[in-house]
Amino acid sequence: GAVVSQHPSWVICKSGTSVKIECRSLDFQATTMFWYRQFPKQSLMLMATSNEGSKATYEQGVEKDKFLINHASLTLSTLTVTSAHPEDSSFYICSAQPHRVGTIEQYFGPGTRLTVT
Amino acid sequence: QKEVEQDPGPLSVPEGAIVSLNCTYSNSAFQYFMWYRQYSRKGPELLMYTYSSGNKEDGRFTAQVDKSSKYISLFIRDSQPSDSATYLCASYTNAGKSTFGDGTTLTVKP
Repeated sequence: GAVVSQHPSWVICKSGTSVKIECRSLDFQATTMFWYRQFPKQSLMLMATSNEGSKATYEQGVEKDKFLINHASLTLSTLTVTSAHPEDSSFYICSAQPHRVGTIEQYFGPGTRLTVT
Repeated sequence: QKEVEQDPGPLSVPEGAIVSLNCTYSNSAFQYFMWYRQYSRKGPELLMYTYSSGNKEDGRFTAQVDKSSKYISLFIRDSQPSDSATYLCASYTNAGKSTFGDGTTLTVKP
């Protein structure tokens, strides 16, 4: 149980285009989903926290207009990188927290590698 | 200063060795302490977590937290080549966010 999928697993896009990444909890409902960015040999940097049906909360320094997050249902959150630039190339990982009172566990997706040319 | 600092490694040990992975943290509000394992180009996988000080054991893995010194450890007994991965420590507050260390890359040689 507790499987989180991400799609696509990797994507190459041209500078100036937008890319949408999907994060799905396959066998549980997720009240909260998190989006992270990870650079090579570095840790996870939290970008934003999204709760189903409400606006995402962005971390300091993360541009909300550039990284659009939609958490439309208890099993799906999307991250759209708008007007992508080469510096947006990174590994993007989502995680989902089960809809259970008091739970702290979060389950990670396999990540999406974005390359902007 | 980062809120969670992790011994950077890399760490290379022979199969069967006992591995010790360590982190320190600075935020006294942290209540839960987690260890994740991440294989290359994959998302992290939760290994175990502890609440407050003390030990927790799960098979070959033991997590230890000392809140007085703000020290977090993960011990792996009888290490196997399949344990080769990057290990991330993380701390969590009731506010709902996790703060991660930078990870320690472990290689267990057969």
